[in-house]
Amino acid sequence: AAGVIQSPRHLIKEKRETATLKCYPIPRHDTVYWYQQGPGQDPQFLISFYEKMQSDKGSIPDRFSAQQFSDYHSELNMSSLELGDSALYFCASSSPPYGYTFGSGTRLTVV
Amino acid sequence: GDSVTQMEGPVTLSEEAFLTINCTYTATGYPSLFWYVQYPGEGLQLLLKATKADDKGSNKGFEATYRKETTSFHLEKGSVQVSDSAVYFCALTIRSNDYKLSFGAGTTVTVRA
Repeated sequence: AAGVIQSPRHLIKEKRETATLKCYPIPRHDTVYWYQQGPGQDPQFLISFYEKMQSDKGSIPDRFSAQQFSDYHSELNMSSLELGDSALYFCASSSPPYGYTFGSGTRLTVV
Repeated sequence: GDSVTQMEGPVTLSEEAFLTINCTYTATGYPSLFWYVQYPGEGLQLLLKATKADDKGSNKGFEATYRKETTSFHLEKGSVQVSDSAVYFCALTIRSNDYKLSFGAGTTVTVRA
């Protein structure tokens, strides 16, 4: 069965650079979520999209933005990267109220 | 607000021991409850879920029962294996919060041979 696909798996960027993370949800799932998981921490909700419209926003810095495209894939754009942005970034898709399916995540390292 | 509190770790067990990870929730309404597992270096995987009171979720020998009276969803496994070493997250979704997943802090479980 198709899963949530995230790319890239690993990304190394320097401070003040920009990074773009991509997420391809499970077909026919209408909601996409982005989470950030710092080292040893639980995942924190960043932002979600329902039918290509932003539906909710969590603790997402102003330096970050996201969108969902007509083919339902989503991109998380992060600018002016800081060392503290180093984390695992998960995308998940679902058809509420059922459980999410998470991608394998993108590990971002800012040096 | 809606939240999940789970047992702090780390938990270290011997193979074939009994595992319990406590999870309680606070919610205004009727949440769906989940356990997710994260193996070292990997993403989050849904382990089991329960969507209404008295439902029992089960998978890979793990079980959890949705107890509305105690607002709990404790995870149990009768005989753990080394391969069960992972971080376990209790989580909930609820309609009033647009079904966003709210996670507990996670419990690290290490099983020794």
